[in-house]
Amino acid sequence: ETGVTQTPRHLVMGMTNKKSLKCEQHLGHNAMYWYKQSAKKPLELMFVYNFKEQTENNSVPSRFSPECPNSSHLFLHLHTLQPEDSALYLCASSQERGRDTEAFFGQGTRLTVV
Amino acid sequence: AQTVTQSQPEMSVQEAETVTLSCTYDTSESDYYLFWYKQPPSRQMILVIRQEAYKQQNATENRFSVNFQKAAKSFSLKISDSQLGDAAMYFCASQTNYGGSQGNLIFGKGTKLSVKP
Repeated sequence: ETGVTQTPRHLVMGMTNKKSLKCEQHLGHNAMYWYKQSAKKPLELMFVYNFKEQTENNSVPSRFSPECPNSSHLFLHLHTLQPEDSALYLCASSQERGRDTEAFFGQGTRLTVV
Repeated sequence: AQTVTQSQPEMSVQEAETVTLSCTYDTSESDYYLFWYKQPPSRQMILVIRQEAYKQQNATENRFSVNFQKAAKSFSLKISDSQLGDAAMYFCASQTNYGGSQGNLIFGKGTKLSVKP
């Protein structure tokens, strides 16, 4: 247990559904990240929050909407997704964004869009 | 932009033997960190070892060690005395310490390591 918890572990949703992924960390970290992991591709950084402020949006489509209400929680709101959005979504946290900061990962949410 | 390349999609090793996983990277920065992460079937990414670019000495963590060749931009992972629990996906990653991408981890595609009993 690394202190980063993601829920749900698995999610199947239709293209017209709206759902949210949740990430919670109990490590006292100030930076949180969303990554997308697709088969046979490198992990793709999606969003970065540092001290609750979004500091990076890696050209992610607007059907993905992040929310960081406080330093311990991070959400990814999903709506009108496409089948190609099916992937493992990983949340990570680190002390803060910047040098020499080890990232701790959750176990991910396996998302299937049907 | 940083890139990380892992040229071995899959590797296999006999239990108790040694295996080396390859990684090359490209960056224009002089100050950066390199990492190896392990992702077992549980899907949780776990840090295995890290290397500061300004340190010439290769990092070592128990049975895990790296061969860091800065001029060649090569960062291989050696696993000695392989154990069944080492079976996992291994990802090489780089992290720059300056600029707009400061702190971002850039990953390779990963190498799937199998350990044979």
